[in-house]
Amino acid sequence: ELKVEQNPLFLSMQEGKNYTIYCNYSTTSDRLYWYRQDPGKSLESLFVLLSNGAVKQEGRLMASLDTKARLSTLHITAAVHDLSATYFCAVGRYGGATNKLIFGTGTLLAVQP
Amino acid sequence: DSGVTQTPKHLITATGQRVTLRCSPRSGDLSVYWYQQSLDQGLQFLIQYYNGEERAKGNILERFSAQQFPDLHSELNLSSLELGDSALYFCASSVSLAALNEQFFGPGTRLTVL
Repeated sequence: ELKVEQNPLFLSMQEGKNYTIYCNYSTTSDRLYWYRQDPGKSLESLFVLLSNGAVKQEGRLMASLDTKARLSTLHITAAVHDLSATYFCAVGRYGGATNKLIFGTGTLLAVQP
Repeated sequence: DSGVTQTPKHLITATGQRVTLRCSPRSGDLSVYWYQQSLDQGLQFLIQYYNGEERAKGNILERFSAQQFPDLHSELNLSSLELGDSALYFCASSVSLAALNEQFFGPGTRLTVL
């Protein structure tokens, strides 16, 4: 059974600092998604990583994928308060009849001024 | 705005009752997914429909059922509700079953069972 683990679960950081969120998954997959969720809101798609070595950047966020290590990272550069949210990684489970997503536990990011 | 709509936004009901959650996918999307988000279980895949046919089931209870109609909207029916069913229920849609298709999430329905 595919399992997706994120760490840390909670991250409190100061504005201007850098940090990385890690996403490990248990079985082979070449599709990895990162979503952002604000409290009580829906999931907003941030990145779609489709191949080994894929790297995508948007503003202060950069995501990468290493399919051999079954690891994706979300790196935050010079954090600002607006980045405070919960970040989820999700692994695409494509089995011919379905492409459902298996989500990680989420990382609650709190950026302090 | 993802283009996926869900109604109602909030639902408060009592144990033992039955409710129906509704989802309209983005225009052109044939696949609909239902996910449940709760504090203890996290975000869990429930069920997927594609062009009216069930395609995959996840951790969906027998008390729950879903369907996708010819106009592609979907309904999730929850019956004999228990306190533990209180959660945020999301619908997502994608164009097809292809592995590369991104899923777009609706605003969710917050269900509170008292």
